[in-house]
Amino acid sequence: DTGVSQNPRHKITKRGQNVTFRCDPISEHNRLYWYRQTLGQGPEFLTYFQNEAQLEKSRLLSDRFSAERPKGSFSTLEIQRTEQGDSAMYLCASSLNGGANEKLFFGSGTQLSVL
Amino acid sequence: DAKTTQPTSMDCAEGRAANLPCNHSTISGNEYVYWYRQIHSQGPQYIIHGLKNNETNEMASLIITEDRKSSTLILPHATLRDTAVYYCIVRVAPNNNDMRFGAGTRLTVKP
Repeated sequence: DTGVSQNPRHKITKRGQNVTFRCDPISEHNRLYWYRQTLGQGPEFLTYFQNEAQLEKSRLLSDRFSAERPKGSFSTLEIQRTEQGDSAMYLCASSLNGGANEKLFFGSGTQLSVL
Repeated sequence: DAKTTQPTSMDCAEGRAANLPCNHSTISGNEYVYWYRQIHSQGPQYIIHGLKNNETNEMASLIITEDRKSSTLILPHATLRDTAVYYCIVRVAPNNNDMRFGAGTRLTVKP
């Protein structure tokens, strides 16, 4: 169990550029979540996958955001035409199954700074 | 989902028990109480969860009142490494697929 891995740890970009983050969940975990966290706030849910299917998206996930999990393993989160308001920590989490005893395991996040 | 109310911050002396309260007065019968914590520069870490019975694991104890409108997370012997933001979350399982984190309680353990 190597934990949830996120890359890169830090990303600095200019407004208007596209960025892509990667998340490698714990192997055999079939659920994968993306969250966004700004300074002083708790994580906010963005979207989640069950295997390769994206089953739920928050209204926070504007059309500039897209997430994929093509083979039900790793996932990518892309932000197009970045804005300064996109600056945040992007967290990925995975779990083995849903249900009452679901435990989310989080990565250390990707810190995005949009200049 | 029911909303939760937690104090913004708390202090605790090293070696003493840390008792973190959470109010969830509108909780429904099928909603579970979860606790996570987030140490600086890391992602949140699962601590414990329960429905109506008190729960204990190697990290903490969870005490839920009989009416389920509030709960307390207990760290029996706090250490400096327990300094973190602690989140109390209620969610429906198995149908609800997202955890809604509030601002949490910033616990500072002091030597």
